[in-house]
Amino acid sequence: EVQLVESGGGLVKPGGSLRVSCAASGFTFSSAWMSWVRQAPGEGLEWVGRILSKTNGGTTDYAAPVKGRFTISRDDSKNTLYLQMDSLKTEDTAVYYCATYYYSRSEFWGQGTLVTVSS
Amino acid sequence: QSALTQPPSASGSPGQSVTISCTGTSSDVGGYNYVSWYQQHPGKAPKLMIYDVNKRPSGVPDRFSGSKSGNTASLTVSGLQAEDEADYYCSSYANRNVVFGGGTKLTVL
Repeated sequence: EVQLVESGGGLVKPGGSLRVSCAASGFTFSSAWMSWVRQAPGEGLEWVGRILSKTNGGTTDYAAPVKGRFTISRDDSKNTLYLQMDSLKTEDTAVYYCATYYYSRSEFWGQGTLVTVSS
Repeated sequence: QSALTQPPSASGSPGQSVTISCTGTSSDVGGYNYVSWYQQHPGKAPKLMIYDVNKRPSGVPDRFSGSKSGNTASLTVSGLQAEDEADYYCSSYANRNVVFGGGTKLTVL
C-alpha cells in the first residue's frame, strides 16, 4: 500500500524558515517523480514545485510565488522528500501536501501538514 | 502562470449528469494532453479522478469521464450520487509547471 506521511509543519514568524518532510513507503521512491502542492485555508489547490528522480537528473522546478525561497530535495536512502521554506510570508500559510507527480497527474497524496506563518 | 478558470459551483439531482468546464490557454490546457481532475471532500486530501484528459485510475467509477476541446477541458459526472458532492479541481501541465483551476463545488440536490 502506498503511503505518504508529511511532518514538520507548525507556526513560524514571517521571515523565518521551516523544513517539512514526506516519508514514502509502498513503492519504489527512488524512481518516483514527486511534488508539493499547498492549499491555503478555505482556498483552492496551488502547485508549489516538483523534483524528478535522480535517473532523470533530479531536476527541480518551482511555481513563481515560491521560486528562490523554497527548495525541494530528496533522500532516496531514507525514502524521504523535503521542502525547505525560507523567507516565509504570511501568504505561505497553508496545508502542504506531498504527492507523486507525472506531469499534471498526482495519483498518491499524503494527508498534509499545516504551516502557519504569523507573528 | 494564471490559474485555470472553473465555475465556482455546479449542481444536479441524483441520477442526473453534470459537466464542469476548465478553461486555460494554448500554453497549458490547449498545448498538452496532460489534464487531470481531482475530487476533494472537506478535510481530506485530493483524489485523482481523471488524468491525461480522459483516463481513469483504477477504482474510479466509469460515471466519471473527461474530454478536451481546444483550450477547454471538461469533467462529466453521470448518474450523480450523494457521495459525489465535493470540490473538483482541474490541473494542466504547463511547460515544466503545473497550474490548477480555482475549483468547483459540486452539490447533489
